Amino acid sequence: QSVLTQPPSVSGAPGQRVTISCTGSSSNIGAGYDVHWYQQLPGTAPRFLIYGNTNRPSGVPDRFSGSKSGTSATLAITGLQAEDEADYYCQSYDSSLSGYVVFGGGTKLTVL
Amino acid sequence: QMQLQESGPGLVKPSETLSLTCTVSGGSISRSSYYWGWIRQPPGKGLEWIGSIYYSGITYYNPSLKSRLTISVDTSKNQFSLKLSSVTAADTAVYYCARHVRYGDNSRFDSWGQGTLLTVSS
Repeated sequence: QSVLTQPPSVSGAPGQRVTISCTGSSSNIGAGYDVHWYQQLPGTAPRFLIYGNTNRPSGVPDRFSGSKSGTSATLAITGLQAEDEADYYCQSYDSSLSGYVVFGGGTKLTVL
Repeated sequence: QMQLQESGPGLVKPSETLSLTCTVSGGSISRSSYYWGWIRQPPGKGLEWIGSIYYSGITYYNPSLKSRLTISVDTSKNQFSLKLSSVTAADTAVYYCARHVRYGDNSRFDSWGQGTLLTVSS
């Protein structure tokens, strides 16, 4: 059971917009700690996608965006493309005994 | 362009100690801005942070693994290493090393190795 909760799967057709939620609690996201997102293509290592809730590292298309409100964060992908099919993970800090660095359970995005 | 590369035995017997090394190239591990971390991913499952180390040797570990875990750094070789004792099948996973950016209590992993599969089996 992950400290940060993500839906197991989401799907969308090419060109559509999809969102992936990451729900935490008052000891992590709700406490004001930053949320970061990673994309993991099949058979590869995670790729740094969004940092500090809303920022994109160099090289990440602006189709990817992040937001945060209260105890949750959201990753949005617009203009969905086939190559976006991957697993997506959120990550934050937790001030309880959970272990400082915590990841969400991951969400499998399927492009229909 | 910073690169990280994990290396290890691939197979470890139950109750033995798992040892992995991460070699960093394209930048110095002694750069003061960064920690260096280990993350693992059991087959078909999500990511779990294991622990991280600063070039000076300061460590912080996942409490659930702390009793079995040692992370060390060798700045002369630009490497850091992981040792996990008393392994069981539950420790079978792909192990990733990553550059760990810490700012206050916040942290993120902005550069990852390709990962190495470690199987625990007799």
